[in-house]
Amino acid sequence: QQQVKQSPQSLIVQKGGISIINCAYENTAFDYFPWYQQFPGKGPALLIAIRPDVSEKKEGRFTISFNKSAKQFSLHIMDSQPGDSATYFCAASPNTDKLIFGTGTRLQVFP
Amino acid sequence: GAGVSQSPRYKVAKRGQDVALRCDPISGHVSLFWYQQALGQGPEFLTYFQNEAQLDKSGLPSDRFFAERPEGSVSTLKIQRTQQEDSAVYLCASSPPGQGGFEAFFGQGTRLTVV
Repeated sequence: QQQVKQSPQSLIVQKGGISIINCAYENTAFDYFPWYQQFPGKGPALLIAIRPDVSEKKEGRFTISFNKSAKQFSLHIMDSQPGDSATYFCAASPNTDKLIFGTGTRLQVFP
Repeated sequence: GAGVSQSPRYKVAKRGQDVALRCDPISGHVSLFWYQQALGQGPEFLTYFQNEAQLDKSGLPSDRFFAERPEGSVSTLKIQRTQQEDSAVYLCASSPPGQGGFEAFFGQGTRLTVV
């Protein structure tokens, strides 16, 4: 049973464009929603995270939008750069200590 | 070291062999996690330690998988009688006191290939 659904599976964006990745969850006990960035051969690295008491969080070019009623959240990467090319994972935590990850989105940013 | 260190980086095992994967967490991090990442998939939780106590092992796929952290620092994930379906990247993560799994720092992983 996949508790966090992520889309799209892959995304191609031109340099300077906006990359948008979406996730949906089912378990209303989830209360922490991070996004991780993973480069080939590396472990995931925390990018940005949000709690359900806010609808948006912005850090530099990265923004999380959160819709509690729809049980959806998304990552927006503004002014996408070739260096942003990586696989992005959304995740959720049910107020315990484990993270439940989505299946990942492979982002390619072309110059 | 500054980050989570895992060894070996790559391991090839013959089916039926036992393997041991090591994780050195960031110094001072009390929480330690093991995840399994199949090719093209997101990491899946295996087990969690707080200091030396294994608080959650609900993600271990079978009794062939065993993890320990005897002194609350270095952890070892052991897989007995490896099977082809065990082929994956095994990721270790640690987090500072008070953060639980929330701000988890991942190592580079050990890629296990069972032939």
